[in-house]
Amino acid sequence: EPEVTQTPSHQVTQMGQEVILRCVPISNHLYFYWYRQILGQKVEFLVSFYNNEISEKSEIFDDQFSVERPDGSNFTLKIRSTKLEDSAMYFCASSGGTSGGRYNEQFFGPGTRLTVL
Amino acid sequence: RKEVEQDPGPFNVPEGATVAFNCTYSNSASQSFFWYRQDCRKEPKLLMSVYSSGNEDGRFTAQLNRASQYISLLIRDSKLSDSATYLCVVKLRANNLFFGTGTRLTVIP
Repeated sequence: EPEVTQTPSHQVTQMGQEVILRCVPISNHLYFYWYRQILGQKVEFLVSFYNNEISEKSEIFDDQFSVERPDGSNFTLKIRSTKLEDSAMYFCASSGGTSGGRYNEQFFGPGTRLTVL
Repeated sequence: RKEVEQDPGPFNVPEGATVAFNCTYSNSASQSFFWYRQDCRKEPKLLMSVYSSGNEDGRFTAQLNRASQYISLLIRDSKLSDSATYLCVVKLRANNLFFGTGTRLTVIP
């Protein structure tokens, strides 16, 4: 069964450093997403991406964040200058579409645990 | 105002029990509804979509009441492997999902 993959599984970085989190969405999916989950809190939406551009973003997704689809398979999240409060689990997700039915369903990768020291 | 509210639990039930989780959502424009389960320090995994007519998948039954903005999940004949956090999730017209804080279930032998 196809699945979303993410690398690395754990990233430790110093405050102020740049990090890039990588994701390979399910191959025939068209929509890609990043979410984050701070330890003990709920999953929060960051950004959605379709047709090589951001389709929606949350208030969390400020100028320090960017996303890119550098080739036909990878989808990346860059945090330019990490802060302590960026420590969280970052989940990538993908879906076939946003219309009704199964294409509406989002499937999540295993996550990258980001620790900012 | 929280988009999605759930009873955080925990619910501790014996094997074989029936357990029900409830969830309310605030935005009447919400269009799609889901239950995900999340094991400790793992990703959310889609359990089932929730349709207006209600739907069943094996031991799991989901109901949606749009008038009351209420979603439920019923688990029959609980198994040890059902122990997890159950996330109520809502989608508006746009792409992003709104997650509840989750309800923790522990099934006891």
